[in-house]
Amino acid sequence: KAGVTQTPRYLIKTRGQQVTLSCSPISGHRSVSWYQQTPGQGLQFLFEYFSETQRNKGNFPGRFSGRQFSNSRSEMNVSTLELGDSALYLCASSQGLIAGGRNEQFFGPGTRLTVL
Amino acid sequence: GEDVEQSLFLSVREGDSSVINCTYTDSSSTYLYWYKQEPGAGLQLLTYIFSNMDMKQDQRLTVLLNKKDKHLSLRIADTQTGDSAIYFCAESYGGATNKLIFGTGTLLAVQP
Repeated sequence: KAGVTQTPRYLIKTRGQQVTLSCSPISGHRSVSWYQQTPGQGLQFLFEYFSETQRNKGNFPGRFSGRQFSNSRSEMNVSTLELGDSALYLCASSQGLIAGGRNEQFFGPGTRLTVL
Repeated sequence: GEDVEQSLFLSVREGDSSVINCTYTDSSSTYLYWYKQEPGAGLQLLTYIFSNMDMKQDQRLTVLLNKKDKHLSLRIADTQTGDSAIYFCAESYGGATNKLIFGTGTLLAVQP
């Protein structure tokens, strides 16, 4: 079974531009979560999707958005990029949402975004 | 609050045991996880423990949970150079969500 795929793996943008990152979950998984990882803030939750609906959102400005398609693939978009958006963006795939938090999540290799 | 604290760095010799510590804040967390991140890679789930357990052993890994002190630890027996990585503890947020609150990460360096 193929793992979680994220594209592109590396990206360089300039301030003010926008960017779209893609995540393909493991086949059969319907939930996708996104995290931002930076040296200063560590791993922070961005948002979570299940069955094409955003179920949770982290404490990020509205410039960060996402969506999920009917095949469970997910994209996240960052508009008007700032230098501080440089980070590793990780996507996690799981079968669904289970109350109580016991749901194994599989992470992709991430997309390294550099904003100049 | 959502602060999960870990010590930044741990250095051990190959063959020794490693103990990585984590302090979390949300007493309602139901599951606590340990993830491993190698350079240039995503996160790999190592093990987890349910909040009503004190200990869980999984091959070379032992997880200890002190719920009263909100303290979690990961012991790696017979540490190998391949165990060198950053280790993150994480707590589940509860409810119907997969959201995880991650710790600050501990860099484990294994000396040959």
